[in-house]
Amino acid sequence: EVHLVESGGGLVEPGGSLRLSCAASGFTFSSYSIIWVRQAPGKGLEWVSSISGFSTYIYYADSVKGRFTVSRDNAENSLWLQMGSLRVEDTAVYYCARDRGATYVLDYWGQGVLVTVSS
Amino acid sequence: QSALTQAASLSGSPGQSITISCTGTSSDIGSYNYVSWYQQYPGKAPTLMIFDVSDRPPGVSNRFSGSKSGNTASLTISGLQAEDEADYYCSSYTTNRLPHVIFGGGTKLTVL
Repeated sequence: EVHLVESGGGLVEPGGSLRLSCAASGFTFSSYSIIWVRQAPGKGLEWVSSISGFSTYIYYADSVKGRFTVSRDNAENSLWLQMGSLRVEDTAVYYCARDRGATYVLDYWGQGVLVTVSS
Repeated sequence: QSALTQAASLSGSPGQSITISCTGTSSDIGSYNYVSWYQQYPGKAPTLMIFDVSDRPPGVSNRFSGSKSGNTASLTISGLQAEDEADYYCSSYTTNRLPHVIFGGGTKLTVL
């Protein structure tokens, strides 16, 4: 059974850093792109970043480019989102999700992790 | 890039059919048959309900169906049930400046 589990969320001050993790199981991790999506409190879904199976293709939304870095280790079936220069508007639940076939069909999602940026 | 456009809320009675529309542009919905729909209950992660405009993942009820015309995609739920009360988000693949996914603002469906 496919599972994605995020961890690493919490409260951080503006300008601070945080590293989110996404642990995958139940599928051949290297065969899939993984997407980070966030959802601010009471708001809709927003694409944050994408990383292909062998990290060949990495993309970021304009809102996080230059501040966030995504990486993965296929040997560990793990993915990370390093977030820096955090802003109040980065406050959201962050989800990692599996891209079914490189067309951004997100067929499995983690449970999400809350990141709160506040002083 | 602006989000796809969805009605903020819709309501229907049990047994009725409802349709949620999702309007994009020629850069996203109009160019690709990679429209998906997600259902989200409060406090839970989204769940894939429809992909590639009209395909259903295993386990999703055939009461859910999708379609597309031009720059607008639609999700129809027939035989509305209380358990269908949730938020629904559309999404589309786009290559506008770079490959990514764009989401609709979400529609809160209330079953009366």
